[in-house]
Amino acid sequence: DIVMTQSPLSLPVTLGQPASISCRSSQSLVYSDGNTYLNWFQQRPGQSPRRLIYKVSNRESGVPDRFSGSGSGTDFTLKISRVEAEDVGVYFCMQPTRWPYTFGQGTKLEIK
Amino acid sequence: QVQLVQSGAEVKEPGASVKVSCKASGYSFTSYYMHWVRQAPGQGLEWMGIINPSAGSTTYAQNFQGRVTMTWDTSTSTVYMELSSLRSEDTAVYYCARDGCDVWGQGTMVTVSS
Repeated sequence: DIVMTQSPLSLPVTLGQPASISCRSSQSLVYSDGNTYLNWFQQRPGQSPRRLIYKVSNRESGVPDRFSGSGSGTDFTLKISRVEAEDVGVYFCMQPTRWPYTFGQGTKLEIK
Repeated sequence: QVQLVQSGAEVKEPGASVKVSCKASGYSFTSYYMHWVRQAPGQGLEWMGIINPSAGSTTYAQNFQGRVTMTWDTSTSTVYMELSSLRSEDTAVYYCARDGCDVWGQGTMVTVSS
């Protein structure tokens, strides 16, 4: 199975400041079609996960442009340019390249 | 709009089985695989398996092999996940998610307790 490792696991951030979350996979996430499949999710307290980013850097419709994804191969990053109060929650990376799909442990973002 | 609506919370005794449903609407049901993912209280996300409602094929995570069964009903655009031989560690919220995980159900809390 592909192991997904996130850091940090806890991320206290001041409102208006940037935030960055790292996700590393134990194997390359480049699929046979040449695409790299890596998703980022946000899970607010008491809610289902919500996909923010797919295929490394593509934002879902309706996701604010302060969220951005980058990376390649086995190293990926989610960045929030200016954290707002509504961004509080847990962020997960997930690889849908090979079954079984696997998730990172989650990064809990809180406001300082 | 695209929506996945799951069945309600369940409380089961150890050793019993539970069957959770996930009704899809707003898209072509047979055009997308469906995943099941669970989340134990305060924990991360665990992928359980996938079903192809078009071909009826399934793939289960090794951790659940022999205990999980995923089925579907095209006439009602519903997929089902049945987990047997329940133990306390199976207490979790169970989610269905459309392929790509772009749409999720609201989750079903399953509590296993004597």
